[in-house]
Amino acid sequence: NAGVTQTPKFQVLKTGQSMTLQCAQDMNHEYMSWYRQDPGMGLRLIHYSVGAGITDQGEVPNGYNVSRSTTEDFPLRLLSAAPSQTSVYFCASSYGGANYGYTFGSGTRLTVV
Amino acid sequence: SQQGEEDPQALSIQEGENATMNCSYKTSINNLQWYRQNSGRGLVHLILIRSNEREKHSGRLRVTLDTSKKSSSLLITASRAADTASYFCATPSGSARQLTFGSGTQLTVLP
Repeated sequence: NAGVTQTPKFQVLKTGQSMTLQCAQDMNHEYMSWYRQDPGMGLRLIHYSVGAGITDQGEVPNGYNVSRSTTEDFPLRLLSAAPSQTSVYFCASSYGGANYGYTFGSGTRLTVV
Repeated sequence: SQQGEEDPQALSIQEGENATMNCSYKTSINNLQWYRQNSGRGLVHLILIRSNEREKHSGRLRVTLDTSKKSSSLLITASRAADTASYFCATPSGSARQLTFGSGTQLTVLP
């Protein structure tokens, strides 16, 4: 039972490049979320999904796209990377949203130069 | 925007001592959660306390919730060096579709 798996663990991008951060969970959780973590700012919600085919914006969605074609996968796409997107990105899943505990992946450390 | 705010921002104690961290939040909630994050790792769920509960225990952890003061505390008893980590409180928002985190307390336990 792997839980929440994120790939890659580290990535360096040049300004303007695009990439996809992968997230997969094997717990059959309906809810999945993407957060970014910056020093001194805690975690901020980027996008979330309450089930396959359903996504919604969080607090800081600009510059990011998501889709949810299966229950297991929730990829995060950076359309045109900017230095302000340098951060650590976490994917999380939950059985029933914020009324239950979240399981987090180990994170992707992204640097945009 | 952050719903929960932890206090203190940083705490340093000796091994064997108790550590207390506090969390204040702004709006009514139906539960409050605590998470631990070791350096360079993802967050780990520690405990969830519902709004109709006043106190909850899990091993060396004790969480209290005071809905009248909109505050919660996390007590770690008999701390160990392995407890060194950041601790976050989190509360539901957006009809419980979103979980909002505070900025965390950095706990250092000195051997």
